[in-house]
Amino acid sequence: DAKTTQPTSMDCAEGRAANLPCNHSTISGNEYVYWYRQIHSQGPQYIIHGLKNNETNEMASLIITEDRKSSTLILPHATLRDTAVYYCIVRVETSGSRLTFGEGTQLTVNP
Amino acid sequence: SAVISQKPSRDICQRGTSLTIQCQVDSQVTMMFWYRQQPGQSLTLIATANQGSEATYESGFVIDKFPISRPNLTFSTLTVSNMSPEDSSIYLCSVERGRSTDTQYFGPGTRLTVL
Repeated sequence: DAKTTQPTSMDCAEGRAANLPCNHSTISGNEYVYWYRQIHSQGPQYIIHGLKNNETNEMASLIITEDRKSSTLILPHATLRDTAVYYCIVRVETSGSRLTFGEGTQLTVNP
Repeated sequence: SAVISQKPSRDICQRGTSLTIQCQVDSQVTMMFWYRQQPGQSLTLIATANQGSEATYESGFVIDKFPISRPNLTFSTLTVSNMSPEDSSIYLCSVERGRSTDTQYFGPGTRLTVL
């Protein structure tokens, strides 16, 4: 699986948009970009994933650059409950393919 | 998504003993996975458990230390054997239904402390 690079930590003001970047310059054509988050010591929570088109769901938006070498997860109106470690993972979308977790980004939403 | 439960949610054990962690899913799933998260670290895959076949272990993990059972499509167990303090971690199961467009969903985890 391709390696991803994320900032170690980020801060965001409550109510503002949180934009979390991820670099995946060695991504292959059949690899998807997945985002999970882990709120302190809980199980990781799936957020969103995409291949090359931008994606949006009730939790977040995923913006993938045209060359697919980087992406941004956007939480449009961050709340204190969004404070978590966010993991960007690239993965072949084949049943049973592994999720390789890096160190992620610690997002702290401040009041 | 899937509703996943794990038992126990946490435990404190003595070194040299073994603990079996259960993972129960509310619907049938093809793939089940076990992860370990050591203190302050990210998640590491231990093994993949498919029903009807032996678990597939990742490098650095062996069956004698982490035996896994997968008796049916909704249940799996992970045993941490002959525990030492280095086994203190959060152990998580995750599931995937096996469809090509599926994602993995995680259980709440089991926090293990070995004294």
